[in-house]
Parts: sequence; C-alpha cells; structure tokens
Amino acid sequence: DQQVKQNSPSLSVQEGRISILNCDYTNSMFDYFLWYKKYPAEGPTFLISISSIKDKNEDGRFTVFLNKSAKHLSLHIVPSQPGDSAVYFCAASGPGAGSYQLTFGKGTKLSVIP
Amino acid sequence: ETGVTQTPRHLVMGMTNKKSLKCEQHLGHNAMYWYKQSAKKPLELMFVYNFKEQTENNSVPSRFSPECPNSSHLFLHLHTLQPEDSALYLCASSQDPQSSYNEQFFGPGTRLTVL
Repeated sequence: DQQVKQNSPSLSVQEGRISILNCDYTNSMFDYFLWYKKYPAEGPTFLISISSIKDKNEDGRFTVFLNKSAKHLSLHIVPSQPGDSAVYFCAASGPGAGSYQLTFGKGTKLSVIP
Repeated sequence: ETGVTQTPRHLVMGMTNKKSLKCEQHLGHNAMYWYKQSAKKPLELMFVYNFKEQTENNSVPSRFSPECPNSSHLFLHLHTLQPEDSALYLCASSQDPQSSYNEQFFGPGTRLTVL
C-alpha cells in the first residue's frame, strides 16, 4: 500500500509557464515533506522541504504548498526553465522502527519545452 | 571529493558471483542509508546505520549484507543475487535520523545488472 502517491507519471510544460507537481499521502504520522529532483545517471538532489506546521515554503522559483486536511502537497515552479526537466520525487518523513525514515513517491517526469 | 560518492557506477554480475558496493560520504553526517530503485517503483529503503549501528533492516533478503565500519563508509555485500535484484542502488547520508527534519543527501547510485 503506497503511503506517498504521485499520480502523474509525467508532465509537459512550456518554458516560462508554471509547473505544478502534486503529491498525496495517507499516513497522518508524516510531519515533514521534501521534494527531490533527479537527472538521469545522477542521484536525487534535495530541492525544498516543508514542515507540517506550515502551509507554504518558498525558495526562489520553487514553492511548496501543504494542505494537511487533504493530505496533499504540491510543488510549483515558476517560471519553468528547460534545465528543470527532470524526475521529481515527493518524500515524507515519519518514524520507523529505530529512526525517522523517508517514504518516497514514484516520481513525476517533468519536461519543460523551450 | 565532496558529497556522497559511490563505486562502482555500473556492475554486471552473475547469480553465483560475490561483489560489493561502496559508499563514502564527505559531509560529516552520522547516518547512512541504502536504497533500491527498481523501474516504475518508488525508492525502497533497505538499511539504515546511525553512528555505525544498524537501526533499520526493512525485511531485506540475506543475500544483501550491509557493513558500516565507520560513519563515513558504507558497503553492501552481494551474494547469489537473482535477476530481479537488478536495479539502481542508492546510498544516502544525513545528519540526524532521530529527527524528522532530516534531509538526506544521495550519491549517484550503482546500476546493477544480474544475469
């Protein structure tokens, strides 16, 4: 049973427009959420995060929104650039047996078209 | 070297071979992780080490054997693997796995193919 879901496997956006990537979760114990970006042949790179006590966090062109009641978060990229083309993973932090663990979604492949 | 490094980047092995994956972190972190990424699946956590002590083993088959000699180095010893073990194996590190606010930093991964 997937606890973190990214229902869109892919997304195409025109350069300069807004990219919106969505993520849903089911476990109410998750209290910290992260977005990672992955280029081919590289490991995931941390992009931005948000604590469950906030509903928005912004860092330059990247903004993450959290709706706790809906168990939904989204990543907004504006304006989108061709270099943003990558796979984006949503991750949620929650307690494991002996330490906090990250649970990942399957990822959304973003293509920004010049 | 900076960040998290992994060697080899690519590995092809037969089912009867023994091989090891190596990970090194240069970030001064206390925790290290092994993940498996298979096609069309989320990253799956395999093992967690905190201050060299294993704190998580997510029901990983014994043909995968981790070793953490110190907080900077992590190995994954592979023995009698199956073709379905072919995947991208990612190593990560973080400062404090006892805190929820715990960003993990990943290496580039080892692409493993089991014939």
